[in-house]
Amino acid sequence: QVHLQESGPGLVKASETLSLTCNVSGASISSSYWTWIRQPPGKGLEWIGYIYYTGTTNYNPSLRSRVTMSLDTSKNQFSLNVRSVTAADTAVYYCAKSPPYADWGQGTLVTVSS
Amino acid sequence: SYVLTQPPSVSVAPGKTATITCGGNNIGSKTVHWYQQKPGQAPVLVIYYDKDRPSGIPERFSGSKAGNSATLTISRVEAGDEADYYCQVWDTVNDQGVFGGGTKLTVL
Repeated sequence: QVHLQESGPGLVKASETLSLTCNVSGASISSSYWTWIRQPPGKGLEWIGYIYYTGTTNYNPSLRSRVTMSLDTSKNQFSLNVRSVTAADTAVYYCAKSPPYADWGQGTLVTVSS
Repeated sequence: SYVLTQPPSVSVAPGKTATITCGGNNIGSKTVHWYQQKPGQAPVLVIYYDKDRPSGIPERFSGSKAGNSATLTISRVEAGDEADYYCQVWDTVNDQGVFGGGTKLTVL
């Protein structure tokens, strides 16, 4: 069974960089697509982007200029960086495997403070 | 970019059938996945590839597609089915995932 766990700071200052890591167990990140999804408080799901095991990435056009994803195969984890954050980036951030997204992390709330 | 449209809310009495629609241009050419999300929890996949159910999902949950809409049907609705439901497709033109805005299912 695949288990994903997000980790990272729960509070980030405006204009700084949000950095999260998703630790994967039960599957190798050297296969499949690995995805980040977020959900602002009280709102719907927003697809952020994916990183394929080859290192290929694609990001939501609305975030593309500020987002970077990477893989660390030695630790079986992948990461998300969002630069120049604002209050609009406050959300629960989820990592997930592939689509369809049968496997999700529990989510981690990141609050952007001014 | 591709847009999926869902009704914001659907209400149904216990024991009745709930239908949640998901509209999108030429959705018939795409595969649709459905997720259930209860408060404070991560989403759970309930239907994938239009109509398949993951193991552990009750047979009461079914998916279908016709014309420009996909539909999630929940038969014999129970109080525990109260949740937000999201449809999702892959936008092959832009190579990205797309979620519908979500539908809040209320069990009366």
